[in-house]
Amino acid sequence: DQQVKQNSPSLSVQEGRISILNCDYTNSMFDYFLWYKKYPAEGPTFLISISSIKDKNEDGRFTVFLNKSAKHLSLHIVPSQPGDSAVYFCAAPGPDARLIQGAQKLVFGQGTRLTINP
Amino acid sequence: GAGVSQSPSNKVTEKGKDVELRCDPISGHTALYWYRQRLGQGLEFLIYFQGNSAPDKSGLPSDRFSAERTGESVSTLTIQRTQQEDSAVYLCASSLRQGAMRGYTFGSGTRLTVV
Repeated sequence: DQQVKQNSPSLSVQEGRISILNCDYTNSMFDYFLWYKKYPAEGPTFLISISSIKDKNEDGRFTVFLNKSAKHLSLHIVPSQPGDSAVYFCAAPGPDARLIQGAQKLVFGQGTRLTINP
Repeated sequence: GAGVSQSPSNKVTEKGKDVELRCDPISGHTALYWYRQRLGQGLEFLIYFQGNSAPDKSGLPSDRFSAERTGESVSTLTIQRTQQEDSAVYLCASSLRQGAMRGYTFGSGTRLTVV
């Protein structure tokens, strides 16, 4: 059962334009969501998160939107730059995740490969 | 250290052999996680440790997989009698005690190939 889904395996965007990466989830009880970015041969790096009590969180060129009624979140990158080319994963606490002293396991989507064309 | 360190970075092993993967978390990070990513798939949770609490082993795919952690430092993931389906990038991550929404810091992973 895929709790977090990214239905687009790839996305190609022209430099300077907006990139929109989408993620759907099934568990309405998720407390928060995160986005990670991964370059080849490197581990994923944390990008931005959003609490389930908010509908938007912005950090520089990156904004995450949460639509709880649709169980959908999206990551907007404006303007897109060549260095943004990477695989992006959305993530949420696992369905039976125990919050142990601030630590909690995450479930990840399958990832979307973003390519920014010059 | 400055980041999460994993060794080896690459490992090729014959089917049926045992392998041991190592992870050095960031100093001061109390939580440590193991994930794997098989080709074309997302990140799959395996196990995590937090301080002295019992580890969450719910993601280990079979009893051939085990992991240990010494205190709040090094962790080893052991795969016994490796199978070809074990081929994947094994990723270790660590986080602060109250780091849930700040995300993990991942290492670069160990690419395991079982031939």
